[in-house]
Amino acid sequence: EVKLLESGGDLEQPGGSLRLSCAASGFIFSTYAMGWVRQVPGKGLEWVSVISGGGDATYYADSVKGRFTTSRDNSKNTLFLQMNSLTVDDTAIYYCAKRIFGAAVPGQFDYWGPGTLVTVSS
Amino acid sequence: DILMTQSPLSLPVTPGEPASISCRSSQSLLAGNGNTYLDWYLQKPGQSPQLLIYFVSNRTSGVPDRFSGSGSGTDFTLKITRVEAEDVGFYYCMQGLQAPGTFGQGTKLEIK
Repeated sequence: EVKLLESGGDLEQPGGSLRLSCAASGFIFSTYAMGWVRQVPGKGLEWVSVISGGGDATYYADSVKGRFTTSRDNSKNTLFLQMNSLTVDDTAIYYCAKRIFGAAVPGQFDYWGPGTLVTVSS
Repeated sequence: DILMTQSPLSLPVTPGEPASISCRSSQSLLAGNGNTYLDWYLQKPGQSPQLLIYFVSNRTSGVPDRFSGSGSGTDFTLKITRVEAEDVGFYYCMQGLQAPGTFGQGTKLEIK
């Protein structure tokens, strides 16, 4: 059974940093691209980033480019999202998601975690 | 960035009746490999999104066959032949042709 579980969400001040993790199980992690999608509670979905199965290709939303870094540790079946220079606009539930295929293409996310809440506020 | 526009944004439906959601992209989602990178997701109340359909018309495992996707280029449709109570939630189209990925605004399907 495929499982994804995010962690690391917290209350952080503007300008601060957080590192989200996503523990994966139930599939050959290194074979599949992974992504992050966020959602302000009560609002729509916003695509954040995607990383290839091998970790050699990453793409980002314009709103986070240069501030967020997506990486993965295939030996530990874990996906990461390093979030720097946080602003109040980064407040959202962050979901990690598995792609159907291995290439770093933005969509086709067939499994999602329950999400972790990031709140940026002074 | 590719803009995704859904309609309607609110869709009240009587159980057993059909429903249809439209999604339009600001540019063609057809890739050079022949695939069209258009997904449909459903987010049920209190749950994470789930992938219903990818590449316009491919249902993922476990998705009932009352859901179907169609379209090409820039115009796409999600159809439900007979709506059931468990189908309530927000439906999102998404383009995966190029980064950044972009979602439609979401369509709220509710039962009359």
